[in-house]
Amino acid sequence: GQNIDQPTEMTATEGAIVQINCTYQTSGFNGLFWYQQHAGEAPTFLSYNVLDGLEEKGRFSSFLSRSKGYSYLLLKELQMKDSASYLCAVMEYGNKLVFGAGTILRVKS
Amino acid sequence: DVKVTQSSRYLVKRTGEKVFLECVQDMDHENMFWYRQDPGLGLRLIYFSYDVKMKEKGDIPEGYSVSREKKERFSLILESASTNQTSMYLCASSLEQKETQYFGPGTRLLVL
Repeated sequence: GQNIDQPTEMTATEGAIVQINCTYQTSGFNGLFWYQQHAGEAPTFLSYNVLDGLEEKGRFSSFLSRSKGYSYLLLKELQMKDSASYLCAVMEYGNKLVFGAGTILRVKS
Repeated sequence: DVKVTQSSRYLVKRTGEKVFLECVQDMDHENMFWYRQDPGLGLRLIYFSYDVKMKEKGDIPEGYSVSREKKERFSLILESASTNQTSMYLCASSLEQKETQYFGPGTRLLVL
């Protein structure tokens, strides 16, 4: 079966660093995506990992370990506008995206 | 920039009504998807399409049908709306099957 787990909620302080974890067990693996979704808005693409290791993109980085079925999204220098839901999604064989329930991140001043 | 638009942001319908949700993308993408998003459950795939007039069932197709008569347009149809179909509906598109999906703003449907 398919199972993607991520924490339901996290709170962090402006200027800090936060790591959002995602573990998965899916039918095949063709890559892992992270999306950001502000309340009432569409999810927007943040990152894609298909090989093990760290992908860095400005203040955001994403890490993947395929052998452990594990990924994390790292947000540095947190800003208030980073308050949003962060969705972890795995592309299975057959190219279907399977989403976790999302992590609500609250950034406080 | 990819633009995916959905016909309505908010809809209120009555049980038993037929409901049409429209999605249009302007980037000549081959693939289009319909998801519903519910608290605590994440996004779940209802139907998808890899080409005009082609459709495939996702994980939760029951109670829904789709239509793709033109490449840029993918419609989701609720034949007889029920209260358990109250949800946020999100449309997405991608150029290739393995590539990033781009989402529309969503339609929040309330079935009374």
